[in-house]
Amino acid sequence: GQQVMQIPQYQHVQEGEDFTTYCNSSTTLSNIQWYKQRPGGHPVFLIQLVKSGEVKKQKRLTFQFGEAKKNSSLHITATQTTDVGTYFCAGADSNYQLIWGAGTKLIIKP
Amino acid sequence: DSGVTQTPKHLITATGQRVTLRCSPRSGDLSVYWYQQSLDQGLQFLIQYYNGEERAKGNILERFSAQQFPDLHSELNLSSLELGDSALYFCASSVVGGANVLTFGAGSRLTVL
Repeated sequence: GQQVMQIPQYQHVQEGEDFTTYCNSSTTLSNIQWYKQRPGGHPVFLIQLVKSGEVKKQKRLTFQFGEAKKNSSLHITATQTTDVGTYFCAGADSNYQLIWGAGTKLIIKP
Repeated sequence: DSGVTQTPKHLITATGQRVTLRCSPRSGDLSVYWYQQSLDQGLQFLIQYYNGEERAKGNILERFSAQQFPDLHSELNLSSLELGDSALYFCASSVVGGANVLTFGAGSRLTVL
């Protein structure tokens, strides 16, 4: 079946370093959404990308949707302790059903 | 508060038992989704309802069933519980069906002993 692969599974960074997570789909997506789940919390919607090649920014977060609408990335500049959590991508297939990536856990090294 | 209400927050039960998890969607949302998240794992889609009708089915076991009532609240029934069913169960809602933005509830943590 259709899959969305998300890498890496974990990323350990020093506070102030950058963080990136990538999602790749086997097929073209209608759109892609990003969610953040804080430790002990529930997923919270961050953003939705719809157009080919779209780039959106939210303060230190930059989201990209590939030209072929098969891949996406989330980049965080200068991570802070408040960024800790798991970041999920969820791609909408041709039937507009969401296919979730496995998530990338951002861990700040002490 | 996301506006999606899930009860109970925590539930401890024994193998072989049956439990019901309840979800009230955000006001105005017609679609309800159920997800299972085992410890430190991803989100496994179980089932989606839209305005009372089943819309999509994911990896939901036959021992599990769900429904959405006329007032749009939903219940997830888990029966013949096994140790492996211990997980966080999230309900999410969206305005319409399809790939709209999901608003998640705080989850129901089920522990099967």
